[in-house]
This record gives sequence, C-alpha cells and structure tokens, in this order.
Amino acid sequence: DGGITQSPKYLFRKEGQNVTLSCEQNLNHDAMYWYRQDPGQGLRLIYYSQIVNDFQKGDIAEGYSVSREKKESFPLTVTSAQKNPTAFYLCASSPGQVNTEAFFGQGTRLTVV
Amino acid sequence: AQSVSQHNHHVILSEAASLELGCNYSYGGTVNLFWYVQYPGQHLQLLLKYFSGDPLVKGIKGFEAEFIKSKFSFNLRKPSVQWSDTAEYFCAVSPSGGSYIPTFGRGTSLIVHP
Repeated sequence: DGGITQSPKYLFRKEGQNVTLSCEQNLNHDAMYWYRQDPGQGLRLIYYSQIVNDFQKGDIAEGYSVSREKKESFPLTVTSAQKNPTAFYLCASSPGQVNTEAFFGQGTRLTVV
Repeated sequence: AQSVSQHNHHVILSEAASLELGCNYSYGGTVNLFWYVQYPGQHLQLLLKYFSGDPLVKGIKGFEAEFIKSKFSFNLRKPSVQWSDTAEYFCAVSPSGGSYIPTFGRGTSLIVHP
C-alpha cells in the first residue's frame, strides 16, 4: 500500500532532550511537509522540502530542524530550543505540482515532561 | 502569502440537520482549494478539492463545496449530517503556481448528536 508512515505514534521525552520524529513515504512524491497541530490553531507549517537535499523554513521553524537526504524520508528533530514542544506533529507529502493535493501520515503525539 | 479563515470553530448539530461551514481565503493569485477531515483517532484525509472548472464540487460522504471567486470563499455543505460526521474539518488553500504549499485554517470541530 502506498502512503506515509510516521513513527512513533506516541513519544515521551524529558525537557531539554532533542527528539527526532520519523516520516517515510512511498508515493514517489517530490514535496514533503511538517505541520504542527495544536487545539484551536489548526495546522501550522514548520518546514517543507520540494526536492531532495533542499528544505525551507515554514511559519514556525524556530526550535526545529530537518534533513532531506533521501526522496522518501523527511525526519524532523525537535530541539531543546523549542519552547513548547508538546503537540501533535503531522507529516505530509505531495507531487509538488499544480492541481495536486497533499497526503498525510497518522501523526506523532509528542509529550515533553 | 496566503491565509485561510474558518468562521465556525465549534458546531453542534443533531442528526439530519443541514451543515454549512464557512471558509474564506486571501491570496492575490489563482488557488487550489481543499477541505480535509480528521475523524477521531484517524489521520487527516481529503474530503474534496477544487482545481478549476465547475465551482460546485462534490466530495466523499455526501459533502459538497462551492467556490465563489468574488467572495474568496469555499464553503462546505452537507444537506443532512450523520453521527459519523463528527470530526474536525479543515479548509486549505495552495497557490496554483510557485511553491504549492497548502495553508490551513484553524479547523472546525463538528459534533453530531444522534
């Protein structure tokens, strides 16, 4: 089955630790995205990548980092610099062309204690 | 940059009631428009989309939306809701050129009472 796989589904970390969220897609999509979902705030764009080895900051990139070494993978690292990291993180991909839509993974719920 | 505004944050309906969720966007160029739905415990999935052509688009599960270009709106409608429509609904817009990055509204939480 083609799709986007995010792992793990739930993640707990202590404050001050970096944590990496995994996102893999087998849809052969060029573009990949990370969004953060908080209650009442919708989805806010953290980082996006339109092609391998290239990525751009979104609206709320501070405290996050990404890499795009392979077309199918776009991991997100939540660093200790992120002031409020507890949230639901969604990864998406799309062909990155006109008249196409984004497909989403199941999400990772990160809780920092 | 584009932005999306969803007017209703929480909607509570009884089964068989009609539904209309408002969505307005701001962007100076041509856009693609989407409604996504997130059922409890499930991933975000596409409900319907508008790229071009007929401004009235039909999606899954009896939903439809109308693109009114002059009002920059893309409201979602369903004539008769069911308990299973309880979910969070997100309107999204992406430019038809350039980065194609989707921008989302804040979402509307819909609760349908049986």
